[in-house]
Amino acid sequence: GAVVSQHPSRVICKSGTSVKIECRSLDFQATTMFWYRQFPKQSLMLMATSNEGSKATYEQGVEKDKFLINHASLTLSTLTVTSAHPEDSSFYICSALLAGGPGRNEQFFGPGTRLTVL
Amino acid sequence: AQSVAQPEDQVNVAEGNPLTVKCTYSVSGNPYLFWYVQYPNRGLQFLLKYITGDNLVKGSYGFEAEFNKSQTSFHLKKPSALVSDSALYFCAVRDRGYSSASKIIFGSGTRLSIRP
Repeated sequence: GAVVSQHPSRVICKSGTSVKIECRSLDFQATTMFWYRQFPKQSLMLMATSNEGSKATYEQGVEKDKFLINHASLTLSTLTVTSAHPEDSSFYICSALLAGGPGRNEQFFGPGTRLTVL
Repeated sequence: AQSVAQPEDQVNVAEGNPLTVKCTYSVSGNPYLFWYVQYPNRGLQFLLKYITGDNLVKGSYGFEAEFNKSQTSFHLKKPSALVSDSALYFCAVRDRGYSSASKIIFGSGTRLSIRP
């Protein structure tokens, strides 16, 4: 089956530093990947849609200069949290879209990355 | 705009009893509907989905869900709960657009707690 990995699974950093999270589709190519953020005991909120070879599409209220997304290949998207602050601490989950034809596209989710900013 | 609601923050069930986790949706047209489960500090695991066909959908780990168009509901069910079913459950909806970037919208989640 389709597998999506994330690295690192857990990261702790100091306030003001930047952190990069990788999302990889291991056994399929994904022209589209999604980045979600989940606060404790809350649902997943879509942050942005990452498209291979083009700029990401950000949801309303998400700062594109704060959360840099790069989708440089068909199997890798990266999310960089720039100048991280404690309020950026969260669980970040990516998903990759497996294209199956009209109406049959399916998302597969990564295991998530726990970011803690001190 | 599409949306999905999970009216219960928490559901408590005794092991061996049937369980139901409720979900209602609001979309224009017919949606794709999903259930996912999340264990602590883990990503989402797919349980089942409704695309078309039979209203009763069977999924992983003995779970099933019933699509009810008139009530716009997609409740998750299991005949006999296990302690290991304790987790956070998300209902989700995606529209039937042909765009590859069709977004999945998640409900607020329901924490299922199964007591021995």
